[in-house]
Amino acid sequence: DAKTTQPPSMDCAEGRAANLPCNHSTISGNEYVYWYRQIHSQGPQYIIHGLKNNETNEMASLIITEDRKSSTLILPHATLRDTAVYYCIVRATGYSTLTFGKGTMLLVSP
Amino acid sequence: SQTIHQWPATLVQPVGSPLSLECTVEGTSNPNLYWYRQAAGRGLQLLFYSVGIGQISSEVPQNLSASRPQDRQFILSSKKLLLSDSGFYLCAWIDRAGANVLTFGAGSRLTVL
Repeated sequence: DAKTTQPPSMDCAEGRAANLPCNHSTISGNEYVYWYRQIHSQGPQYIIHGLKNNETNEMASLIITEDRKSSTLILPHATLRDTAVYYCIVRATGYSTLTFGKGTMLLVSP
Repeated sequence: SQTIHQWPATLVQPVGSPLSLECTVEGTSNPNLYWYRQAAGRGLQLLFYSVGIGQISSEVPQNLSASRPQDRQFILSSKKLLLSDSGFYLCAWIDRAGANVLTFGAGSRLTVL
């Protein structure tokens, strides 16, 4: 899997958009960008993934740069329950393993 | 619907005792199955993965072993626990026929005393 780089921590005010960056400059053409989050004492939860195009679902939006070397996860209206560690992972489909880095600890404050 | 069950949720074991954590998946067939561990304040470490019955790949040498006796059952074991085996153990699966999304169980918190 290609390596990713994320800031160790970020703060966000409740109700504001949270923009979490991820660098993956060595990403290969067949590798997708996946985002997961882990709320304290729970198992990680899938958020969203994409290959080239921007993606949106009920949880978040994923913006991937044209050269695919970086991406941003956007939580449009952060709530206190969005406080968690967010992991950005790049992985080719069909590849057996999924490696998690240290992620970004997002703290949403009132 | 597809669900993953993992048990027990918590357990406290003495050093040197055996361990068995069980994970089952429902609503799919022939999934990839995974065991991860998260030590206190640390990241997720992949321990084992399996692409089929009886097929186990180990990512790190350790005091633990894994088995897959049935298609949707994955078991993590130890014959003699060490203090360093304490942590949060997570089972996960990928539906290879689907979107390749990794889905985790609720986890098993192990404390070795």
